[in-house]
Formats: sequence, structure tokens, C-alpha cells
Amino acid sequence: QSVVTQPPSASGTPGQRVTISCSGSRSNIGSDPVSWYQQLPGKAPKLLIYSNNQRPSGVPDRFSGSKSGTAASLAISGLQSEDEADYYCAVWGGILTGWVFGGGTKLTVL
Amino acid sequence: QVQLVESGGGVVQPGGSLRLSCAASGFTFSTCGMHWVRQAPGKGLEWVTFIRHDGSDKYYVDSVTGRFTISRDNSKNTLYLQMNTMRAEDSAVYYCVTEKVTMGDHWGQGTLVTVSS
Repeated sequence: QSVVTQPPSASGTPGQRVTISCSGSRSNIGSDPVSWYQQLPGKAPKLLIYSNNQRPSGVPDRFSGSKSGTAASLAISGLQSEDEADYYCAVWGGILTGWVFGGGTKLTVL
Repeated sequence: QVQLVESGGGVVQPGGSLRLSCAASGFTFSTCGMHWVRQAPGKGLEWVTFIRHDGSDKYYVDSVTGRFTISRDNSKNTLYLQMNTMRAEDSAVYYCVTEKVTMGDHWGQGTLVTVSS
């Protein structure tokens, strides 16, 4: 069981806006920036968001991230069928813990 | 473009050893921190280990400390993971991952490791 918690599932219809939460503690999310990754079925993960709210080049602006205190969230607006994937948050937990991933959220586009 | 190609996966008996390699290209490997991240079948992602660009610092998840060793050869643009005293719970796809801006800028396609008798 991860020390960083995500809901196991989320869903939405095409065009809708969905958010995925990531809850941690002062020692991880409360201290360091959060990254988000998208893993399409059968594929390697891909970086979506870094430093809480920064998008790498090539990531559509439909994806946005935010952080407040010990919680972070990923928002996807204008939901598309190709957004159906597993989404993971991750944060540095310090030199004794290393990087910590949330358990992942499976997003279904209805 | 960035390419990370893992190799060395396979089937190994409990207590056995395996060495994974990751051949990197398309970027300046010697200036980039590197990670190994694994994913057990049907499970989530688990960070395993990190090495600084010059090999000066290494960090490990508790469950592999003392059994796994990360290393790199910047002259060969290659990252390694030596896995000893392997257990069934080490069975997973192992991904080679860059850190330039953050952990996970780029990921390899993964190599499957199965620990089974």
C-alpha cells in the first residue's frame, strides 16, 4: 500500500472534465513537487506533468496539474476516448524513501 | 530522439542473479540522472533505484537494498542493474528511465523479469 493515495478508478464521457486526486503527507507532497504519468494499455508510461503544473512539450493543454498542501490533482478537460489509460502521480519522498508512486487511477471514457 | 533500450530480462530461479542493461542514445547520457522503475504484472509502478549522472550517489527502495546494484558506464552510454538473491516478488517489467527535469522524462519499452522455479 503506497503512502501516496489515488482513487483506483475514475470515469467520464467525451468532452467532459475529470480530475484525479493524489494525497500524501508533509514529508512527500508537502515538501516536493509532484509529477504525473500516463500509461496507455500495453505501453510504457509517459510524463504528463512535472513540477506540479508544468507540461513537457507535446503534451496537450487539456492536461493540467495543481497542488495544495499535501494533495495534488490532475485535470483532463475535453475528455477524449484516447485518454483512457492508467494515471500515476509520483513525488520524491527523501533519501531514505526515494521516489514514491501513487497506486494509479484507471480512467474509463464512457 | 531519446532512445532507451533495455535488455537482459528473462526467467531466473529464486535466489538467482540477473543483470539488466539499458542502452541510451539521442541525448547526453553523461549529464543525466537515471532510474530503474518496475511494474509487476497487473500492478502499479514501483520506483527501484536511482544513480546520479556521474555515479556519485545511488538510492534504493528498501526491498532491494543489499540485493540490487545500479551502475553506469558513461563511455558506453549504458545503465545497468545487477540483481542478486532474487525473489518471486521481484518479477516485473523493468523500465529504464531518465531524469533531466524530473524522474520519468523518458522511458524505455521495458524488459520482463520472471523469478520462478
